[in-house]
Amino acid sequence: QLQLQESGPGLVKPSETLSLTCTVSGGSISSSSYYWGWIRQPPGKGLEWIGSIYYSGSTYYNPSLKSRVTISVDTSKNQFSLKLSSVTAADTAVYYCARHGSAFDIWGQGTMVTVSS
Amino acid sequence: EIVLTQSPATLSLSPGERATLSCRASQGVSSYLAWYQQKPGQAPRLLIYDASNRATGIPARFSGSGPGTDFTLTISSLEPEDFAVYYCQQRSNWITFGQGTRLEIK
Repeated sequence: QLQLQESGPGLVKPSETLSLTCTVSGGSISSSSYYWGWIRQPPGKGLEWIGSIYYSGSTYYNPSLKSRVTISVDTSKNQFSLKLSSVTAADTAVYYCARHGSAFDIWGQGTMVTVSS
Repeated sequence: EIVLTQSPATLSLSPGERATLSCRASQGVSSYLAWYQQKPGQAPRLLIYDASNRATGIPARFSGSGPGTDFTLTISSLEPEDFAVYYCQQRSNWITFGQGTRLEIK
């Protein structure tokens, strides 16, 4: 059964870069049918799509975050990663990784990232 | 950007009742709309994709309708475990989510 697990620091200082990794187990990230995405949810608020990547490295990003976001993939490790630069308190959220084709059908459990000095 | 507006913001119903949740898109999204359920402290769970297709393992009491700009998620007879927050999401133009509908026990 495919599972996704987020990992990375839970605390990031303002103006620094947030870095998270999603490890895929129970299946291959190189499946031709799916993209792999990042979604976040500020405390008590709704969901916001950050961006997605195909195993070939093709990416597409939320236009509102595009200038600060980089998503990459490492097929040898079955992982994909998120970097969000110049973070502020507004970037404090639970960050989820997920697989998607027609919809986000498999999600990681999420990891809380707080931006604070 | 396509804006998805969900209504109502909160829906108060009793177990056994029928729930109807709405999602309106600011422009047509064809059938590229999905519905998710989220419970506190959990990741969202996919219920419906492409407007009306139930995801694997989702009970038949959940159904979705579309396409176009007005979409509905219907829960035919509420079970206690159905009380949660529901989100719609489109993939016609980039990816956006609605702001959510909270379904609470009356």
